Amino acid sequence: GAVVSQHPSRVICKSGTSVKIECRSLDFQATTMFWYRQFPKQSLMLMATSNEGSKATYEQGVEKDKFLINHASLTLSTLTVTSAHPEDSSFYICSARDASGNTIYFGEGSWLTVV
Amino acid sequence: DAKTTQPPSMDCAEGRAANLPCNHSTISGNEYVYWYRQIHSQGPQYIIHGLKNNETNEMASLIITEDRKSSTLILPHATLRDTAVYYCIVRPHYNQGGKLIFGQGTELSVKP
Repeated sequence: GAVVSQHPSRVICKSGTSVKIECRSLDFQATTMFWYRQFPKQSLMLMATSNEGSKATYEQGVEKDKFLINHASLTLSTLTVTSAHPEDSSFYICSARDASGNTIYFGEGSWLTVV
Repeated sequence: DAKTTQPPSMDCAEGRAANLPCNHSTISGNEYVYWYRQIHSQGPQYIIHGLKNNETNEMASLIITEDRKSSTLILPHATLRDTAVYYCIVRPHYNQGGKLIFGQGTELSVKP
């Protein structure tokens, strides 16, 4: 199947700093990518949908100025958590939709710990 | 809100078939049924999807009832590595939307 890669897989940052997570589709072009957040023992929560070359669409309750999403190419989307706080510590997962649109593939996830 | 209902947990003996049910009584005519699974601390893995016909691939079989209000994911010979949370999701076809909204899923434990 198609491969979606995230980097870094784990990151620790200090409170108040910003951290960037990359999501790449390795063997297909992804016009649409999705970002999720998952807290322990909970399901995945969709944060935003990002389309290549346009602004991301955020889900209700997600702060767009805090979670900056850029989708500058057909194979790369980035999520930047700005002014991170300990409550932003979570598992962040991206996914990408292939050309057919029928299947969405997920990255391995990125663990963010804010100290 | 998720449009599916799944039992929170199930057990299955290794080597036996695991049958995971899902209710989606409000499914629309343009919505597919998708199944993903998430092994602990990993991203979700695509398993299978279908519209109204039964589907089979190398991982699993998907049985959709004739009225499309429920479906069953079948893992024919469960192994310990199949222990995971399984998510049943209904989603419109690509050109009519396409977000995957996750519910709570079923935590499948495969036991020796």
